[in-house]
Amino acid sequence: RKEVEQDPGPFNVPEGATVAFNCTYSNSASQSFFWYRQDCRKEPKLLMSVYSSGNEDGRFTAQLNRASQYISLLIRDSKLSDSATYLCVVNEGAGNNRKLIWGLGTSLAVNP
Amino acid sequence: DTGVSQDPRHKITKRGQNVTFRCDPISEHNRLYWYRQTLGQGPEFLTYFQNEAQLEKSRLLSDRFSAERPKGSFSTLEIQRTEQGDSAMYLCASSSAPLSYNEQFFGPGTRLTVL
Repeated sequence: RKEVEQDPGPFNVPEGATVAFNCTYSNSASQSFFWYRQDCRKEPKLLMSVYSSGNEDGRFTAQLNRASQYISLLIRDSKLSDSATYLCVVNEGAGNNRKLIWGLGTSLAVNP
Repeated sequence: DTGVSQDPRHKITKRGQNVTFRCDPISEHNRLYWYRQTLGQGPEFLTYFQNEAQLEKSRLLSDRFSAERPKGSFSTLEIQRTEQGDSAMYLCASSSAPLSYNEQFFGPGTRLTVL
């Protein structure tokens, strides 16, 4: 089993749709979680951290389910500008041994 | 611009040549990471530094790859005797420890093409 798994998509949705991505992780000791966004031929940028209680930032909601070892990202009222690859990232280890494990990304295309 | 910078942005080389890339992190960040990314894949971790110390190297990093961060500021990644399979985007990121959530800030990457 891969350390971090995502459905690669692509997800094709119309503008205004709600779309959800899931990501599973294998290490139950993982400590923190992130969603990064990567536009075509650009570098990844942090979209949002994922907190245990779930968190929301505008149209974006992130949730963590430790029991089932998955995180999710929900995008409401999707915009054309949301088209990108969404990378799930899991922080393992502690102290100097902390490292980020990256998923392969989920591709989203929002269509007019 | 106070973000992470990388140089060059693009490099085309012939198989067997050596190449060196440079990364300048955000100045107050003491952690620096190198990743490799190919089309359709997420970033693959190569190595990281805390200050000048190289704390971890991926198994992906063959002996043809070497990275340095001599003064704990900028870093270089060298690939010797390049192979066509080395063609990829090489990303550098920096972060500030002991930031609990360890957000990484990426540079624009160096795209390497080995002919």
